[in-house]
Amino acid sequence: QKEVEQNSGPLSVPEGAIASLNCTYSDRGSQSFFWYRQYSGKSPELIMSIYSNGDKEDGRFTAQLNKASQYVSLLIRDSQPSDSATYLCAVKPLNTGTASKLTFGTGTRLQVTL
Amino acid sequence: ETGVTQSPTHLIKTRGQQVTLRCSSQSGHNTVSWYQQALGQGPQFIFQYYREEENGRGNFPPRFSGLQFPNYSSELNVNALELDDSALYLCASSLDRVGEQFFGPGTRLTVL
Repeated sequence: QKEVEQNSGPLSVPEGAIASLNCTYSDRGSQSFFWYRQYSGKSPELIMSIYSNGDKEDGRFTAQLNKASQYVSLLIRDSQPSDSATYLCAVKPLNTGTASKLTFGTGTRLQVTL
Repeated sequence: ETGVTQSPTHLIKTRGQQVTLRCSSQSGHNTVSWYQQALGQGPQFIFQYYREEENGRGNFPPRFSGLQFPNYSSELNVNALELDDSALYLCASSLDRVGEQFFGPGTRLTVL
């Protein structure tokens, strides 16, 4: 079982629709969760972080975390063509005061169509 | 506020050579983490430097080594390059060891 799993896609949604991106993780001790957006040929850009169960909203983005189900998701409302990118889910295990590495999924490619 | 910078942007090497990649952390950040991203994959953690000390390492062989300097900039060195080392190398800086990580533009390394 992979540590962080994402559907590779592509996920195709029409402009103006809601895009729903999902991620599951295997380490039950994980404490911090992140969504990065990566345009083709570019580096990952942090768009959301979430640390406790429930929803966190930032503009058109909503991150949802369910630690019991080991599941984190990202909703993008009013999807725009500029949202077309690969979305990487990253998980940080329980911090013991030593290295805080991020474990990434392989990413979900989102295509927003006109 | 200056973001994370990396140099060079692109690099082509041949098998067996050595390479040094450089990273300048974001202003105020004292922690640098290095990742390798192969095509179609998520970034893989190589190691982290905190206040000039290695602070954890991923599943990479010893020929991957690094340094962090007093100004918190960092270098990644790879010896005896192999074809599989071809990838995008990403540096991320954070306020501290547990803070959010912000990536630089990356260095694309091609090993022929």
